[in-house]
Amino acid sequence: NAGVTQTPKFQVLKTGQSMTLQCAQDMNHEYMSWYRQDPGMGLRLIHYSVGAGITDQGEVPNGYNVSRSTTEDFPLRLLSAAPSQTSVYFCASSSKPDIPLHFGNGTRLTVT
Amino acid sequence: QKEVEQDPGPLSVPEGAIVSLNCTYSNSAFQYFMWYRQYSRKGPELLMYTYSSGNKEDGRFTAQVDKSSKYISLFIRDSQPSDSATYLCAMSAEGTGGFKTIFGAGTRLFVKA
Repeated sequence: NAGVTQTPKFQVLKTGQSMTLQCAQDMNHEYMSWYRQDPGMGLRLIHYSVGAGITDQGEVPNGYNVSRSTTEDFPLRLLSAAPSQTSVYFCASSSKPDIPLHFGNGTRLTVT
Repeated sequence: QKEVEQDPGPLSVPEGAIVSLNCTYSNSAFQYFMWYRQYSRKGPELLMYTYSSGNKEDGRFTAQVDKSSKYISLFIRDSQPSDSATYLCAMSAEGTGGFKTIFGAGTRLFVKA
């Protein structure tokens, strides 16, 4: 009964490094999304996908890439990490558009 | 002005109290209204969602939407220490597709035993 699984739980990067945050869901949901959560700002949408092979930008996409080659996986890539990308990142999946039903437990990223 | 405004709290109440959590919004196109609970170091958990106006009840939780005032509420009856968490409101407009959902910043709730 895994739901949405995010790895790693914690990560520290130096400015300019790249990395991939992993997200996998086992509920066969079409809709998946990535959010970042910063103090006092709520969750902000980075990228989302409405199915395998289809992705689109959210509110704050700059500096991030995504791909969706399978229904289950939706990785988020940081191309060249910056201190402004220090945040907690959440992946969500859903069977309904516009209503994130299930969230992972997040990846806490610090960029120094 | 943010599209969704939510008082960050913290809100501290004694066990057994009725809790009222609120959000206001500015976009009249919003039609789906959600409430999430988030424990420390965990992801948000969807409590309930409503479509358009009206009330919805689920156990000790009641969600209300007043579209004329652009105001939504979540009531928690007989609050328990286990209800201590951050509560996030969220809303989206039908037809936008693909998670263009706007979240409030969250209200921290403490229920004292």
